[in-house]
Amino acid sequence: DGGITQSPKYLFRKEGQNVTLSCEQNLNHDAMYWYRQDPGQGLRLIYYSQIVNDFQKGDIAEGYSVSREKKESFPLTVTSAQKNPTAFYLCAISRQGDYGYTFGSGTRLTVV
Amino acid sequence: GQNIDQPTEMTATEGAIVQINCTYQTSGFNGLFWYQQHAGEAPTFLSYNVLDGLEEKGRFSSFLSRSKGYSYLLLKELQMKDSASYLCAVRPPDLGRLYFGRGTQLTVWP
Repeated sequence: DGGITQSPKYLFRKEGQNVTLSCEQNLNHDAMYWYRQDPGQGLRLIYYSQIVNDFQKGDIAEGYSVSREKKESFPLTVTSAQKNPTAFYLCAISRQGDYGYTFGSGTRLTVV
Repeated sequence: GQNIDQPTEMTATEGAIVQINCTYQTSGFNGLFWYQQHAGEAPTFLSYNVLDGLEEKGRFSSFLSRSKGYSYLLLKELQMKDSASYLCAVRPPDLGRLYFGRGTQLTVWP
């Protein structure tokens, strides 16, 4: 089954804990992105990566970290430094020269 | 900076036509996208404009005027399933990312 997979669909985190959201793709796309979506707000870019072992900060990178050790995987860690982590997190992929995104199904993170 | 504006909410009735506007002010331009997002789901691609003019795809059409920094998404023969959020996104040149507007929540009434 080809495509982009985010897991888990729902995640609950206690205050002060780090959590890692998974994003995996088997379409051999070069670029991967993490966006955050809050009610009434647009998608805001957290981090993105255009090649393996390289990534750039987006508009709201504070309190988050990523790695890109394999082309297929771009995990996002929400650290305890992120003060308001409750949100819907979307991973997206795109090909070089292809400007459109394909999105994963999202992870809804709730701090309890 | 990047500024993308679209109305927050719109309503329409089944069978009608609705036009969702998007204006943008960005440092450079290399294409505009429209995505549809149903509640709790991932956005899905609707259209892409990089040159001025109208692109038609079934019941959906998208228009772009680069000189005015303006686009619209036109939905015809509205159906209940068209109730969703519609996201406008702009791609600047030489950047591997998109900038999104806040989305327009469309409600279609029977």
